[in-house]
Amino acid sequence: EIVMTQSPAILSVSPGERATLSCRADQSVGSNLAWHQQKPGQAPRLLIYGASTRATGTPVRFSGSGSGAEFTLTISSLQSEDFAVYFCQQYDHWPLTFGGGTKVEIK
Amino acid sequence: QVQLVQSGAEVKKPGASVKVSCETSGFIFSAYYIHWVRQAPGQGLEWMGLFRPSDDYTIYGEKWRGRVTMTRDTSSNTIYLELSSLRSEDTAVYYCTRSVLTPHTHYFDPWGQGTVVTVSS
Repeated sequence: EIVMTQSPAILSVSPGERATLSCRADQSVGSNLAWHQQKPGQAPRLLIYGASTRATGTPVRFSGSGSGAEFTLTISSLQSEDFAVYFCQQYDHWPLTFGGGTKVEIK
Repeated sequence: QVQLVQSGAEVKKPGASVKVSCETSGFIFSAYYIHWVRQAPGQGLEWMGLFRPSDDYTIYGEKWRGRVTMTRDTSSNTIYLELSSLRSEDTAVYYCTRSVLTPHTHYFDPWGQGTVVTVSS
């Protein structure tokens, strides 16, 4: 199975600052990569698919980039509602797999 | 409005089975896959398998084969996940979610609210 590795595990950022989250696959997944946001006690929510396409309702401050095995999620200016855990998910190979998550916390 | 509404929390003893439901609405049931994903306490997300309502086709993750069964209610747009031979490590939140039928489009949107399953003697 494809192993997805996210870094860092915890990212401390001040409101208004930029956050950059990394996701790496141990083999190419093309552009078949999604990002999900999960807040405490809630189900995950799709933010990005196709590595860079924002899902309906995703604010423009969220952007995804990358292809192959290296991907980035950037939040241009963190808002209070963005402090959460972010998971990447590959859907290029079976079984579908997720990264371990990056927790974005208030600095 | 697309919705996936799951059944309530369950407490089971080791060795028992649990059956979780996912009632869907707001979309054409047969035009999507329904997936199950679980999340152990404080842990990440783990894909368990998928079900295609149009023909009852299933793919189960290798880790779950032999213990998991996904079915549907023919009279409603409801999918079921049954997990047998429960052990303490199966304590988790179980989510249903959907993806479209097109190949290489298995990203999940939206998600059900989750069902907490606790396995304890």
